[in-house]
Amino acid sequence: GQQLNQSPQSMFIQEGEDVSMNCTSSSIFNTWLWYKQEPGEGPVLLIALYKAGELTSNGRLTAQFGITRKDSFLNISASIPSDVGIYFCAVPPNSGYALNFGKGTSLLVTP
Amino acid sequence: ETGVTQTPRHLVMGMTNKKSLKCEQHLGHNAMYWYKQSAKKPLELMFVYSLEERVENNSVPSRFSPECPNSSHLFLHLHTLQPEDSALYLCASSQELTRGFGLTDTQYFGPGTRLTVL
Repeated sequence: GQQLNQSPQSMFIQEGEDVSMNCTSSSIFNTWLWYKQEPGEGPVLLIALYKAGELTSNGRLTAQFGITRKDSFLNISASIPSDVGIYFCAVPPNSGYALNFGKGTSLLVTP
Repeated sequence: ETGVTQTPRHLVMGMTNKKSLKCEQHLGHNAMYWYKQSAKKPLELMFVYSLEERVENNSVPSRFSPECPNSSHLFLHLHTLQPEDSALYLCASSQELTRGFGLTDTQYFGPGTRLTVL
């Protein structure tokens, strides 16, 4: 599948701090998706982006679809302990039907 | 109930048992997927159904047998599994098959079934 470079690999922050993570690729995509997964649970869709340059918010989360269509970022403002989990970017495949996921950013938030 | 539901949430079975995993989506979607997620590994797509027709089988062993009786329900029948089959099994659905066209690509996942094979 396509290589998605997601960074950082992990973050350990204090409650109230803002968080920023990103995903890049050498390929162009028409869709960028951001999911959050908690241990033992399925990925939960946070934000879906369908247009280059699009900036979309979902509560304290904001994600942008890069203008080159090769990258996306996710910001979390004023983090809280329940933000803990692994955040994945994902894009549709060039062939087949499986979403292609980044390796994830593991977020830990201390009170 | 909304979204994608999966039952059971946890399953422990012996290698000689036969069990089934159930997935139901309440989103009116036409495509459904089974994924396997093992520890420290990326998600692996197992099967894909579109309008109850199987469109992809990613070299999955025959001890896993999917069934899609209608566009809202998907089953994974399990028999004579191996310990290495222990994993989180995730069901997902999308409005249409994910092909990179945009809105219809988005897959919604269920909470998963944590399977342990003894």
